[in-house]
Amino acid sequence: QVQLVESGGGVVQPGRSLRLSCAASGFTFSSYGIHWVRQAPGRGLEWVAIISYDGSNKYYADSVKGRFTISRDNSKNTLYLQMNSLRAEDTAVYYCAKDRRDYELLSAFDIWGQGTMVTVSS
Amino acid sequence: AIQMTQSPSSLSASVGDRVTITCRASQGIRNDLGWYRQKPGKAPKLLIYAASSLQSGVPSRFSGSGSGTDFTLTISSLQPEDFATYYCLQDFNFPRTFGQGTKVEIK
Repeated sequence: QVQLVESGGGVVQPGRSLRLSCAASGFTFSSYGIHWVRQAPGRGLEWVAIISYDGSNKYYADSVKGRFTISRDNSKNTLYLQMNSLRAEDTAVYYCAKDRRDYELLSAFDIWGQGTMVTVSS
Repeated sequence: AIQMTQSPSSLSASVGDRVTITCRASQGIRNDLGWYRQKPGKAPKLLIYAASSLQSGVPSRFSGSGSGTDFTLTISSLQPEDFATYYCLQDFNFPRTFGQGTKVEIK
């Protein structure tokens, strides 16, 4: 079935780096934009970044711009989020989410992963 | 960035009640809005896209309306699994922005 599975979360010290992965299955990964969305403990949802179906377009939230990099490997059906210079306020559950419409940049998110927890603490 | 403001922030209701949640955008976003339900400890689930289109597999008790700046999610008869937090998300431009959420609790 259509599925997204995140991995790579954990506990990391402030200023350090972490890379998250999101493995896709059950759909043509290379046809869809994919997003990262995060949720701090007890807080609401915050959109983080998107990468277009072919990797040619990327957009970021101001809160992560210059520190986080989104990428994808369509040959491996996998999305990545490289997180550098991590801060305490980056502590959150990170979800990957698929665009509902293929080849579109602006679309609802119809499939979500289960999330991976990132804790930034000394 | 477009600000999305939901109201109320929380509400108490009973099984079978009709519930309405509102989302207001700080500028016009046509009908580029979706609604999501999030149960505790779970990922969000898409309910409504394009303001009023029911996502496949979502029960017909959910409906959405609105365009421009004002949008509404209605649950016609609240079920036990609907006690959760609801978010709107604008699909109009980047950065994408969510409403702050509306928690629906059991009365």
